[in-house]
Amino acid sequence: GESVGLHLPTLSVQEGDNSIINCAYSNSASDYFIWYKQESGKGPQFIIDIRSNMDKRQGQRVTVLLNKTVKHLSLQIAATQPGDSAVYFCAENITPGTGGSYIPTFGRGTSLIVHP
Amino acid sequence: DAGVIQSPRHEVTEMGQEVTLRCKPISGHNSLFWYRQTMMRGLELLIYFNNNVPIDDSGMPEDRFSAKMPNASFSTLKIQPSEPRDSAVYFCASSLQRGSTDTQYFGPGTRLTVL
Repeated sequence: GESVGLHLPTLSVQEGDNSIINCAYSNSASDYFIWYKQESGKGPQFIIDIRSNMDKRQGQRVTVLLNKTVKHLSLQIAATQPGDSAVYFCAENITPGTGGSYIPTFGRGTSLIVHP
Repeated sequence: DAGVIQSPRHEVTEMGQEVTLRCKPISGHNSLFWYRQTMMRGLELLIYFNNNVPIDDSGMPEDRFSAKMPNASFSTLKIQPSEPRDSAVYFCASSLQRGSTDTQYFGPGTRLTVL
């Protein structure tokens, strides 16, 4: 069977609190970043993205912050709800040349648990 | 649109058997990706196609793994012979490469168990 793997970092919050999920990326050439949410039994779903010429981008209840100096990305979720419970992945990309494809490199993920 | 469709959702097989996973990308998307997810290694890219052509298969673990995309609406990932260490969730994702940004849309995955 499958080997026991490393446990994911876990963030536990109370419903209504704000959540901050952090991600360190590795490649200084990465210029496009995406946050994905993966609920149990489902594939990752796009939440929000940001390009390297920005340091902040806001969506509905979510904000992504990018600090290129220290290669750090964070996802802030306002007024966290039980439905936000999931594993969150950051992905870094390098803009491809003509005809190329974005190939994301995914982080290990953080498990967010929201207590009612 | 129904999104990316994968089949089967669950597959249990015995070591040595052939396994075929199927994927239907979102209509109009021109790139297709196969990933494997395990607790030990996280989400790994196995292979991707642009306009039905395999571009990079460097993530394919070994010769037991093969992938095809005979047309824009169908792809398969085959493992022959399967081994217990192949047990994982396999995701297919598709995207429309538009130059400035890209969003991959993932299917629900196939959970493969090799006994």
